[in-house]
Amino acid sequence: DTAVSQTPKYLVTQMGNDKSIKCEQNLGHDTMYWYKQDSKKFLKIMFSYNNKELIINETVPNRFSPKSPDKAHLNLHINSLELGDSAVYFCASSQDRTSGSSYNEQFFGPGTRLTVL
Amino acid sequence: RKEVEQDPGPFNVPEGATVAFNCTYSNSASQSFFWYRQDCRKEPKLLMSVYSSGNEDGRFTAQLNRASQYISLLIRDSKLSDSATYLCVVNILKSSASKIIFGSGTRLSIRP
Repeated sequence: DTAVSQTPKYLVTQMGNDKSIKCEQNLGHDTMYWYKQDSKKFLKIMFSYNNKELIINETVPNRFSPKSPDKAHLNLHINSLELGDSAVYFCASSQDRTSGSSYNEQFFGPGTRLTVL
Repeated sequence: RKEVEQDPGPFNVPEGATVAFNCTYSNSASQSFFWYRQDCRKEPKLLMSVYSSGNEDGRFTAQLNRASQYISLLIRDSKLSDSATYLCVVNILKSSASKIIFGSGTRLSIRP
């Protein structure tokens, strides 16, 4: 059973389009995340979200927005796609991330490789 | 200066060798430290946490040096299956909020 799943695995689209990537976790975790890994393999956190708090990395353009229909899902919507958005996007989850708490192990999804033409 | 820095490698070593690499961090508010492993075209997975007193898990030993602000990973008797990218992760606690930072990774290649 896949703990953290993402769809689609590959996404090729034209510049200017709007697209979504879905993420689901069946671990019962409270917190979910989105990361972007660019061609230089740098893994950067974009968002962390639990039912209390959304934390946005200040460098993330507002064209990116997370949507959480329930605790097990955190989808990523991207508007007006740009060439620089091409990257691998990873979803992850952890048991808890209350403010000031210790870090909890993150479980990553398999990634979505986005190519913007 | 980057908040978390790693030598990108690649480290190319023969099977059975011992290899070590470091990760430096710049923020003294860094609270907890980890090593993740990422195989080619796969997702990162937790390898081990790094404790203040140092810790060992089989062939892997992690050390933390708070004074010099670095952590290290030592792999003994390396196997072909150890070939991967090793990501250093630092959790910074600032104003009651946690910030997670991944290093860019050190690529390790074990040759027969």
